[in-house]
Amino acid sequence: AQKVTQAQTEISVVEKEDVTLDCVYETRDTTYYLFWYKQPPSGELVFLIRRNSFDEQNEISGRYSWNFQKSTSSFNFTITASQVVDSAVYFCALSEARSGNTPLVFGKGTRLSVIA
Amino acid sequence: NAGVTQTPKFRVLKTGQSMTLLCAQDMNHEYMYWYRQDPGMGLRLIHYSVGEGTTAKGEVPDGYNVSRLKKQNFLLGLESAAPSQTSVYFCASSYFSTTTEAFFGQGTRLTVV
Repeated sequence: AQKVTQAQTEISVVEKEDVTLDCVYETRDTTYYLFWYKQPPSGELVFLIRRNSFDEQNEISGRYSWNFQKSTSSFNFTITASQVVDSAVYFCALSEARSGNTPLVFGKGTRLSVIA
Repeated sequence: NAGVTQTPKFRVLKTGQSMTLLCAQDMNHEYMYWYRQDPGMGLRLIHYSVGEGTTAKGEVPDGYNVSRLKKQNFLLGLESAAPSQTSVYFCASSYFSTTTEAFFGQGTRLTVV
């Protein structure tokens, strides 16, 4: 069965520090997709990234970067030079692509607090 | 473009009362989902639909029913509310599979007293 583990429940950093949010997943499928969502204090869920299991290239988008390593079943998210606006709960999620597709399974989330 | 809209945004119910949460999307998405979010539990799937007229159970379906009579709407019903159903409920939709980006509604905060 698919499972996503975000071991860090809460992280607190000082503004401008770099921070990495960990995500470890479990799946028996060879084709799957990984996601990160952000939930700011306002409560909505904002899509950040989607990666498929065949693409292990790291991705960078501004201050955000993602490191996908199939060997360790991890899809970690790094924020460089953190800002107060990065304070949010971040969710990692997994969807398997086997027949019928499986809806997103979420980790329990990591609450990031960036202190000015 | 409204995206995914949930109605209502807040509700307080007494134990045993019933209610229906409405989710509407205007993106012509095939797939729709209902999740609940509880402190420390992340988002857990209640029910989902892969197209008009279809529904399927998720991880935590007990106490809930759903219907997808129209492609754009996905209704979540609580027949006899219990305090354990106090939660924030999120509806989401995705275009043609569960592996594409899911768009979420603003959430409905439900309290059962």
